[in-house]
Amino acid sequence: GIQVEQSPPDLILQEGANSTLRCNFSDSVNNLQWFHQNPWGQLINLFYIPSGTKQNGRLSATTVATERYSLLYISSSQTTDSGVYFCAVESNAGGTSYGKLTFGQGTILTVHP
Amino acid sequence: EPEVTQTPSHQVTQMGQEVILRCVPISNHLYFYWYRQILGQKVEFLVSFYNNEISEKSEIFDDQFSVERPDGSNFTLKIRSTKLEDSAMYFCASSDPHPGDNGIYEQYFGPGTRLTVT
Repeated sequence: GIQVEQSPPDLILQEGANSTLRCNFSDSVNNLQWFHQNPWGQLINLFYIPSGTKQNGRLSATTVATERYSLLYISSSQTTDSGVYFCAVESNAGGTSYGKLTFGQGTILTVHP
Repeated sequence: EPEVTQTPSHQVTQMGQEVILRCVPISNHLYFYWYRQILGQKVEFLVSFYNNEISEKSEIFDDQFSVERPDGSNFTLKIRSTKLEDSAMYFCASSDPHPGDNGIYEQYFGPGTRLTVT
């Protein structure tokens, strides 16, 4: 099946710093989503971005589907940004897909005041 | 804003017992999913469900697991005889019947049910 690799595995920042999280995937995809898992375990939708660039406040994301990667940018980080960031993809290799998302291992972000 | 809800938030059960985890997907969604996350690990797909039948299931989703949409609003995951290794956070998700760009469907996740098997 499709492989999803996220980097870096851990990231420690001071409040106010910027960061870039990367997601590489091994096959072509129908869907790519970025999630933030907060300390209570909830998965919060950040972006639905199979291709192109989107921005939402201090966060933005870019997916280059032809090169099989996506980037999540966090600017002016805040302590509330701490948590785990997951990239998840739906492969379109091998025929019909029914929405199965394959998650990466995540990037653990810690923002210190 | 519509959201996926799950009950209970935390379930503790003894090994060998049956559990039913409940989800209420977003009301106009037609595609439903269950995922699980063992503590400290990544989220794993279990099953997808559409038009009252399973569309796809993973190797994890063996005969001990079943899903059902008993009425127009609920979507349930049953584990018939729980094992210690079933302890995990279980997430329900749903997606819109109307595709976005490129004909694909954004999935929305519920807050999860933490299952602890003792």
